[in-house]
Amino acid sequence: SAVISQKPSRDICQRGTSLTIQCQVDSQVTMMFWYRQQPGQSLTLIATANQGSEATYESGFVIDKFPISRPNLTFSTLTVSNMSPEDSSIYLCSVRDRGDSPLHFGNGTRLTVT
Amino acid sequence: QQPVQSPQAVILREGEDAVINCSSSKALYSVHWYRQKHGEAPVFLMILLKGGEQKGHEKISASFNEKKQQSSLYLTASQLSYSGTYFCGTEGPGNNDMRFGAGTRLTVKP
Repeated sequence: SAVISQKPSRDICQRGTSLTIQCQVDSQVTMMFWYRQQPGQSLTLIATANQGSEATYESGFVIDKFPISRPNLTFSTLTVSNMSPEDSSIYLCSVRDRGDSPLHFGNGTRLTVT
Repeated sequence: QQPVQSPQAVILREGEDAVINCSSSKALYSVHWYRQKHGEAPVFLMILLKGGEQKGHEKISASFNEKKQQSSLYLTASQLSYSGTYFCGTEGPGNNDMRFGAGTRLTVKP
């Protein structure tokens, strides 16, 4: 399975600032997704990162708040903009090869906003 | 739409069995099962693609009832290493974005 490197692994940020999270995969993958997981909670899909085009966002998530880039088939970034304490969470990058294949997750970025 | 998982939590002694259920109000194309240990990323266990399909992985198996839009995960003769939170993930026909249930926290005690 693909090896996914996510950076940073954790960060503490001040309210009003932005943080960009990077996701690097060791092989080309068709699909990349960004999830958010509050401590002890489920995984909530933020958006599908589409290579060469705008990301597809889920209800409740907007591009201005969570801009996503995917310049190629092995790399994506998620930016959490104008952060507030409510953005404190774990953000996970995930990939899959095709619709009937497993999701593989990066180790996540633990974000704390003060 | 998020699938519904039950129970929320289970506490077992080593060697006991458990069943975790996952249901959806919408038609399903596939059901995935993942296990997440504290502080780690979710890890894939198995995927079920066809109605009535059953799969096994050592003492962990699962079934998928397409008509009832339900799946169950069976953990047999549980081991300490089975502890963690189990998530089911579901996809509808034509969708590639997965929705996860709220999770079932499984604790296996000696």
